[in-house]
Amino acid sequence: QVQVLESGPGLVKPSETLSLTCTVSGGSISGYYWSWIRQPPGKGLEWIGDFSNSGSTNYNASLKSRVTILIDTSKSQFSLMLSSVTAADTAVYYCARGYTGVVDATRRLWFDSWGQGTLVTVSS
Amino acid sequence: QSVLTQPPSVSAAPGQTVTISCSGSSSNIGNNFVSWYQHLPGTAPKLLIYDNNRRPSGIPDRFSGSKSGTSATLGITGLQTGDEADYYCGTWDNSLSAVVFGGGTKLTVL
Repeated sequence: QVQVLESGPGLVKPSETLSLTCTVSGGSISGYYWSWIRQPPGKGLEWIGDFSNSGSTNYNASLKSRVTILIDTSKSQFSLMLSSVTAADTAVYYCARGYTGVVDATRRLWFDSWGQGTLVTVSS
Repeated sequence: QSVLTQPPSVSAAPGQTVTISCSGSSSNIGNNFVSWYQHLPGTAPKLLIYDNNRRPSGIPDRFSGSKSGTSATLGITGLQTGDEADYYCGTWDNSLSAVVFGGGTKLTVL
C-alpha cells in the first residue's frame, strides 16, 4: 500500500516562497500521475498542478506564474514551490497519486492515494 | 467559487439513503469521467467512486455513483454515523485544462 507524506514549513512570510515535499513509500513514484491539491480554510479543494507519467507538468492557470512542481525519482519525492505567497495561499496542502488517461476523447481521472495534508499559514 | 456545484450540506437518519449532486457543464462533467471523495477533516481524502460509477476495492456497495449529461450523483444507502464527512466530486475540465472539484457537501447523519 503506497503511502504519501507531505512535509515542509508550517509558516511562511508574505512575499516569500512556499516549499513542500511529498515523500512516497511502499510503492514506486515512477510511472504514476502526481498532483498537488490544496484546501483553504473553510473552502473546497483546489488543484494546483501535476506531474504526469509522461514527464510533463501541468499547472492551474490561476497559479501558473508562481508554481513549480518537480519530481526526484531517486529520492521518491515530489515537490511544490509557490512563490510570492500571500494570505490567500494559507491552506492545507495535499499531495496525491492518481491516474489519468483518455478513452474515446473522454478523460478518465482520479486520485487513489492522498497524504494527510500539511497546513501552511502565510503570515508575518 | 467552484467550477462544479454541490449542495453545501445534506442530512439523513441512520439507515436511510442520501444522494449528493454535482452539477457542471459540457466542458467538464458532460465530456469526462467523474470521481468522488470522502474527506474527514484532518485525514487523507479517500477515493469512493471513479469512472462515474466504479468502486475501488474495499469500498462497500452502499456507495454508488451515476452520471447523466452534465450532472453526477453520489448515492449512499444504509447510512451510518461513520459516514459523516465532507464529500467532493472531481473531474477534468477541457476548457480550463485543469482538474476541477466541487465545493464539497457536508453529510450529517442525524
